[in-house]
Amino acid sequence: GQQLNQSPQSMFIQEGEDVSMNCTSSSIFNTWLWYKQDPGEGPVLLIALYKAGELTSNGRLTAQFGITRKDSFLNISASIPSDVGIYFCAGQLGTRGGADGLTFGKGTHLIIQP
Amino acid sequence: NAGVMQNPRHLVRRRGQEARLRCSPMKGHSHVYWYRQLPEEGLKFMVYLQKENIIDESGMPKERFSAEFPKEGPSILRIQQVVRGDSAAYFCASSLQGYFGEQYFGPGTRLTVT
Repeated sequence: GQQLNQSPQSMFIQEGEDVSMNCTSSSIFNTWLWYKQDPGEGPVLLIALYKAGELTSNGRLTAQFGITRKDSFLNISASIPSDVGIYFCAGQLGTRGGADGLTFGKGTHLIIQP
Repeated sequence: NAGVMQNPRHLVRRRGQEARLRCSPMKGHSHVYWYRQLPEEGLKFMVYLQKENIIDESGMPKERFSAEFPKEGPSILRIQQVVRGDSAAYFCASSLQGYFGEQYFGPGTRLTVT
């Protein structure tokens, strides 16, 4: 089956620093999504990407859909304490007749030191 | 609140009992997905349903697990004769479109099997 490798597994940064994390896949996806999950809650959708090469921003967050369709990255600029949490990438094949469930990475734990 | 709703939020069952998890999708969404999350892991896709139809159950265990999304009422994930290994967080997501739809998650049901 499809697998997503998400890195880094965890990050310890200072408030105000920029953050970068990425996901790579052994096979292509047609959609990439980035989610944030707080303890005890469900994942919250941050950014959705639909085209290879697409670069999309949502406030301080920027994500890109890799040209090969096998990778994506998420950047967070000027981190603040509420950015703490677990960030997941997810890929979807999304073709009629194919599996539509999302394939998730194992997450990046972001810890911010004031 | 028009978000995805799940209940109960926490469920404790003894080994051998049945667990029933409910999910009401976002208003206007007719596509429902169920995922399971083990501690320190990403979410794993289980099943994708539309009203009265199972579209993709490739992630569902072959035994004891079943899901439905009736014409009226919430989607139900049923686990019969639960075992300790079933302890996990179960998340439901819904989308407006099926094949390229952004999936929005509920807060999850934490199942503990004693």
